[in-house]
Amino acid sequence: EIVLTQSPATLSVSPGERATLSCRASQSASTNLAWYQQKPGQAPRILIYDASTRATGVPARFSGSGSGTEFTLTISSLQSEDFAVYYCQQYNNWRTFGQGTKLEIK
Amino acid sequence: QVQLVESGGGLVKPGGSLRLSCAVSGITFSSFYMSWIRQAPGRGLEWVSYISGGSTVISYADSVKGRFTISRDNAKNLVFLQMNSLRAEDMAVYYCVRGMPWGAYWGQGALVTVSS
Repeated sequence: EIVLTQSPATLSVSPGERATLSCRASQSASTNLAWYQQKPGQAPRILIYDASTRATGVPARFSGSGSGTEFTLTISSLQSEDFAVYYCQQYNNWRTFGQGTKLEIK
Repeated sequence: QVQLVESGGGLVKPGGSLRLSCAVSGITFSSFYMSWIRQAPGRGLEWVSYISGGSTVISYADSVKGRFTISRDNAKNLVFLQMNSLRAEDMAVYYCVRGMPWGAYWGQGALVTVSS
């Protein structure tokens, strides 16, 4: 099983600033990685798949990068609606999720 | 507009059974893989099972293999999750999800509580 470790667990950033979230895989996931956003009381929403492809309707301020065991989600200029929990998910070997990074307002 | 609506959640005793249903609209249902993903407090998200459009490809997480069964009715745009021999660790919100291998569209979730 591929274990995904997300860091940091909580990230405090001011609106308008850049946020960088990390996801590390215990073994190679190639580029078979997705990112989701989840707000309280809602289901997760797909943001990025294949490590760097934005899903339909996702703003350009969200970008994904990485391959193998190191992946990054970058939000270039934080808007108020971006404060949420973010999860990575790999699909190179079955499917597993990271434990999440909570992005909070500083 | 894609809509997924789960039903069938509730309270069940350990060792009991429950059947979740998911009604899907807004897509050519039979063309798509469907999945169930669960989210338990403190245990994060877990992909439980998926089924291909023609039900020829089915897979389960090791944690539910032999206890859960996924199925679908393409005539009625429904997908099901039959859960038997339920354990405390199965307690979670269960999401019906269109998309494989990532979750493109999610339902609002059905809460399954396993407690005596």
